[in-house]
Amino acid sequence: GIQVEQSPPDLILQEGANSTLRCNFSDSVNNLQWFHQNPWGQLINLFYIPSGTKQNGRLSATTVATERYSLLYISSSQTTDSGVYFCAVPRFIKAAGNKLTFGGGTRVLVKP
Amino acid sequence: NAGVTQTPKFQVLKTGQSMTLQCAQDMNHNSMYWYRQDPGMGLRLIYYSASEGTTDKGEVPNGYNVSRLNKREFSLRLESAAPSQTSVYFCASSESRLAPGAQYFGPGTRLLVL
Repeated sequence: GIQVEQSPPDLILQEGANSTLRCNFSDSVNNLQWFHQNPWGQLINLFYIPSGTKQNGRLSATTVATERYSLLYISSSQTTDSGVYFCAVPRFIKAAGNKLTFGGGTRVLVKP
Repeated sequence: NAGVTQTPKFQVLKTGQSMTLQCAQDMNHNSMYWYRQDPGMGLRLIYYSASEGTTDKGEVPNGYNVSRLNKREFSLRLESAAPSQTSVYFCASSESRLAPGAQYFGPGTRLLVL
């Protein structure tokens, strides 16, 4: 099956700093999701981004499907950005529904 | 619009006990999923349901059963809980049956099996 790898595994930021998280995948995909799991365990959809670039406030994401990677940018980080960031890619299951394969996550801690 | 809801939020079981985790979505999605998340890991698919009346096994189905009660509800049952089933369980739904669509997750159920 497809392999999804994220880097770095851990990231410590000073509040206000910028950072880039990377997601590599081993096979071609036709979409990709980024999630933020906050310290309370809730999984929040950040982006659904099969290709190109999307922006949502201080966060943006770029997927280059032909080169099998996606990047998540956090600008002007805030303490509320702390948590674990996951990327996930779907695979069809029997031509119905889709299965998400998750990367191992990047754990981010933003210090005040 | 509550999205995906799960009950209970937290549960402690003894080995051998049974329980059912409930999930409901109000987004009129066709597909629903159950995942488990173990410490320090991403999520793994337990079971999924592409549409009402159909269910299929995912990566880690052993020890679980599911029921797609109607389009809104998808329950996960542990018949005889084991300590290895201590985990956080997430339910998700997505809108598209024929194309990969974004999945939306519930808040999770934390299960401890003693």
